[in-house]
Amino acid sequence: DAKTTQPPSMDCAEGRAANLPCNHSTISGNEYVYWYRQIHSQGPQYIIHGLKNNETNEMASLIITEDRKSSTLILPHATLRDTAVYYCIVSHDQGGKLIFGQGTELSVKP
Amino acid sequence: ETGVTQSPTHLIKTRGQQVTLRCSSQSGHNTVSWYQQALGQGPQFIFQYYREEENGRGNFPPRFSGLQFPNYSSELNVNALELDDSALYLCASNRGGSYNEQFFGPGTRLTVL
Repeated sequence: DAKTTQPPSMDCAEGRAANLPCNHSTISGNEYVYWYRQIHSQGPQYIIHGLKNNETNEMASLIITEDRKSSTLILPHATLRDTAVYYCIVSHDQGGKLIFGQGTELSVKP
Repeated sequence: ETGVTQSPTHLIKTRGQQVTLRCSSQSGHNTVSWYQQALGQGPQFIFQYYREEENGRGNFPPRFSGLQFPNYSSELNVNALELDDSALYLCASNRGGSYNEQFFGPGTRLTVL
């Protein structure tokens, strides 16, 4: 079973920030938080990952709470192309299996 | 695009048949993982191959088997197909020992009638 909990769906206006929450209350000290997204009919795409510090790359920012029990993925200026299912995954495996849950279906609307 | 390719893109089989799906990993990647994604669900881990050896397996029966070749390409074989095997089969590659930044192919859509 997935070790994360995400809302099943969210809407966001184009050009606004999309904030996707994830609960991972049973995360252990050596587990990382990963985010992937899957655009319809494509394979999942890696977005970002982190251990305990906040992370930012060209796609998104990842905010992890101090107790590491939850995190938020932030897409700073959502576009229609960001419409996808977003998966939050916790894993200690380096290059190992990914356990996907149901994810959050993000709809970016004009 | 990730550089991971899969073939065929679509496939239709009947119950009881056998199928082989193929995956070419991204250049420089020596690890390949296979996932099954049923309609409306997240991908489920089937197994992983690292340098031609199985390196972890999910909760799938033995009729799901695989191979990895010296060039790190891979095959997924499914025997005695069942209707519930209808799904999108995804292949992902990564550098062994790297963090879980796995690069996924577009998938093979298998329909079992």
